[in-house]
Amino acid sequence: EMVMTQSPATLSVSPGEGATLSCRASQSVGSNLAWYQQRPGQAPRLLIHDASTRATGIPARFSGSGSGTEFTLTISSLQSEDFAIYYCQQYNTWPRTFGQGTRLEIK
Amino acid sequence: QLQLQESGPGLVKPSETLSLTCTVSGASISGSTDYWGWIRQPPGKGLEWIGSIYYSGSTYYNPSLKSRVTISVDTSKNQFSVKLSSVTAADTAVYYCARHPPPSGYGDYWGQGTLVTVSS
Repeated sequence: EMVMTQSPATLSVSPGEGATLSCRASQSVGSNLAWYQQRPGQAPRLLIHDASTRATGIPARFSGSGSGTEFTLTISSLQSEDFAIYYCQQYNTWPRTFGQGTRLEIK
Repeated sequence: QLQLQESGPGLVKPSETLSLTCTVSGASISGSTDYWGWIRQPPGKGLEWIGSIYYSGSTYYNPSLKSRVTISVDTSKNQFSVKLSSVTAADTAVYYCARHPPPSGYGDYWGQGTLVTVSS
């Protein structure tokens, strides 16, 4: 099973600043990686697929990069609604697996 | 606009079978080339992919649950379902259904989720 490891577990950032979240795969997943945002009490929301393609309706301040085993989600100029938990997910192999999440909190 | 809605009992007794249905509106399961999946999230924890099904009936299951899980599709009702047998407290979670556009496995549309508690 592909293991996805996210870091850091918690990231404290001030509104208006930028944030960088990391995701590492135990084996290469190519570009078959997605990022999701989950706010309290809500379903996950797709942000990025294919490592760097923004999903429909996602603001340009969200960007994804990487390939193989190392991936990054960058959020520029954090807005209040961006403070949430972020998950990466690989879909290169079955079973699909998620990282444990990064909690982005207000500093 | 595609919408998914989970339904089913919110409380299941230990050792019994958990059964949930996802109703799809805004698109036809049989008319699409998408996969349809189930994901769960224990309270305060991360996401676990349970399995996915193609409209034709082809399925992929998480090996950790494979012996207990069955996912099926009813194209006449535009629904797909999950059954998880011999449940324990560890199966208490919010269960989500989602669509996966081919050939990928990411979820672009999700249901709101339904909490299932396993307790006597």
